[in-house]
Amino acid sequence: DAGITQSPRHKVTETGTPVTLRCHQTENHRYMYWYRQDPGHGLRLIHYSYGVKDTDKGEVSDGYSVSRSKTEDFLLTLESATSSQTSVYFCAISPGTSGVQETQYFGPGTRLLVL
Amino acid sequence: QQQVKQSPQSLIVQKGGISIINCAYENTAFDYFPWYQQFPGKGPALLIAIRPDVSEKKEGRFTISFNKSAKQFSLHIMDSQPGDSATYFCAAKSGFQKLVFGTGTRFLVSP
Repeated sequence: DAGITQSPRHKVTETGTPVTLRCHQTENHRYMYWYRQDPGHGLRLIHYSYGVKDTDKGEVSDGYSVSRSKTEDFLLTLESATSSQTSVYFCAISPGTSGVQETQYFGPGTRLLVL
Repeated sequence: QQQVKQSPQSLIVQKGGISIINCAYENTAFDYFPWYQQFPGKGPALLIAIRPDVSEKKEGRFTISFNKSAKQFSLHIMDSQPGDSATYFCAAKSGFQKLVFGTGTRFLVSP
């Protein structure tokens, strides 16, 4: 998985609790992304980062926040988890956004269940 | 709003058969069209990608065909093998914009 780890790999939590998912990379890639994967929806972008402390919203950002204080770490936080946020979350990285650098490499995923 | 429509949702083929997965798009600004392969419990991995300046790209048993006028692109899997059983996603992007994914095709090769 291209030097990408995600933690935890599985998590069960209750509605209303905060949850933080971590993505760690060893590739020194500039761009990092958080996606969620749900049946019938494919992969949808939540937030992305184009550098340390530089982040922006994706397609489905409501209810999520992110932070990137170091090149290698990108955190996704659910401030108050809801059942609709039950999903599989994938982190991805890429060295750039054009040419051969735009290939995105995905982590192994985090399966989150909100009860 | 789904910008890339993928079909079929699922596909079963016999070993050695040929399969085609189709994707259609509306945004004519898209200039990069990758296909990702995902095995159960794993993250997606880039399989093959194409740009609109070519109509076909082949890598091993996998071929992308691209029809710019119809705004469609397809993944052809030749001589399908049980190890090809996976979920396949098409995607598209334009310039510095972000990837937009199709909804995926669950592909199963029967022995």
